[in-house]
Amino acid sequence: NAGVMQNPRHLVRRRGQEARLRCSPMKGHSHVYWYRQLPEEGLKFMVYLQKENIIDESGMPKERFSAEFPKEGPSILRIQQVVRGDSAAYFCASSPGEGLYEQYFGPGTRLTVT
Amino acid sequence: DQQVKQNSPSLSVQEGRISILNCDYTNSMFDYFLWYKKYPAEGPTFLISISSIKDKNEDGRFTVFLNKSAKHLSLHIVPSQPGDSAVYFCAASGDTGGFKTIFGAGTRLFVKA
Repeated sequence: NAGVMQNPRHLVRRRGQEARLRCSPMKGHSHVYWYRQLPEEGLKFMVYLQKENIIDESGMPKERFSAEFPKEGPSILRIQQVVRGDSAAYFCASSPGEGLYEQYFGPGTRLTVT
Repeated sequence: DQQVKQNSPSLSVQEGRISILNCDYTNSMFDYFLWYKKYPAEGPTFLISISSIKDKNEDGRFTVFLNKSAKHLSLHIVPSQPGDSAVYFCAASGDTGGFKTIFGAGTRLFVKA
């Protein structure tokens, strides 16, 4: 019974490159959430997706960031033209439904921008 | 705009004693509250939750109390064990124009043997 999987676990990018983070939800879960955690801070909501739909992207920067959850395959968080301030841990979580459900988190991807 | 606040960044407790972690929220539309535990280099794991129709929920050594009038919740761990040393996040969700979950900044708990 695999949990939420994220890859890569660590990603190093130079300024200006693209970062692509992947998340496979738990089996049977169709709701995916992305969070960012900066050093010494809490988890900041970025985006909430269901299969093929973005439900809430109010926490995602308008520029350079995008997310998708296609019908087949993992959810992808894409950061274009990365800057040093994008260095953070990015966590994906999944749940079986919307609303009053706990979320199950993956181990995170630690992005370092040099 | 911090809708969920954990004002104590850290807490140190002796093994066997009670740990009390506090959380305040501002949005009265929140109606479901959760606590997550996080070890270094791992993702948060769900610990316990409470619906706004209750004022207490207990699961083994963990009890969450909710005071809706004060917009305050707390997590009690008794007895505390060294393995409980971790960062604890309070989170809240509800029909706030979306169903996103808002997390507090976390409290780092140290349980000393």
